[in-house]
Amino acid sequence: LAKTTQPISMDSYEGQEVNITCSHNNIATNDYITWYQQFPSQGPRFIIQGYKTKVTNEVASLFIPADRKSSTLSLPRVSLSDTAVYYCLVGDMRRNQGGKLIFGQGTELSVKP
Amino acid sequence: EAGVTQFPSHSVIEKGQTVTLRCDPISGHDNLYWYRRVMGKEIKFLLHFVKESKQDESGMPNNRFLAERTGGTYSTLKVQPAELEDSGVYFCASSHRWDSPLHFGNGTRLTVT
Repeated sequence: LAKTTQPISMDSYEGQEVNITCSHNNIATNDYITWYQQFPSQGPRFIIQGYKTKVTNEVASLFIPADRKSSTLSLPRVSLSDTAVYYCLVGDMRRNQGGKLIFGQGTELSVKP
Repeated sequence: EAGVTQFPSHSVIEKGQTVTLRCDPISGHDNLYWYRRVMGKEIKFLLHFVKESKQDESGMPNNRFLAERTGGTYSTLKVQPAELEDSGVYFCASSHRWDSPLHFGNGTRLTVT
């Protein structure tokens, strides 16, 4: 199972773009990359998912280079409410493994005024 | 749509007692998962139901834990007898398909004294 490495914490200011990079050197062919966000006293919340190149939704963008050994979550113009823990996860796409997520420590993002 | 709901939100029990946690997934979601975070550790997968069948229970720590999903709707996770090391937050999640993002509940915080 591929493990992920990401910074323990990051600081930012309101209005800035935040990029959180995750390393997953042992990613396998069947693996996809997913990011979740977690606020205190809540469960993780899905942000974005991708397999290769770039994925964008209304919340974030996910950049994945050709070798897929890393990925970068980009949050445009963060606000105070984006203060949370962000988890990078690598998951097996095969049918019986799709929801078996491997959580790491996550990145604690602190957005300041 | 209503999200994943978990009951109770908090539970404090003594060592040796029994506790039953309940999870109501999003309506129509065949896949239901249990995860937990014990003190200071990362969120870990416990098991996965597809409808009423256990697809994967490789993360269940020992035979003091019993998960059921009768009728393929809500699920219960019973801990009997509870031990101190069972303290933590138990999350339930559901998804429509095996490759769909997981929707997590806000968890049940279990404290064993």
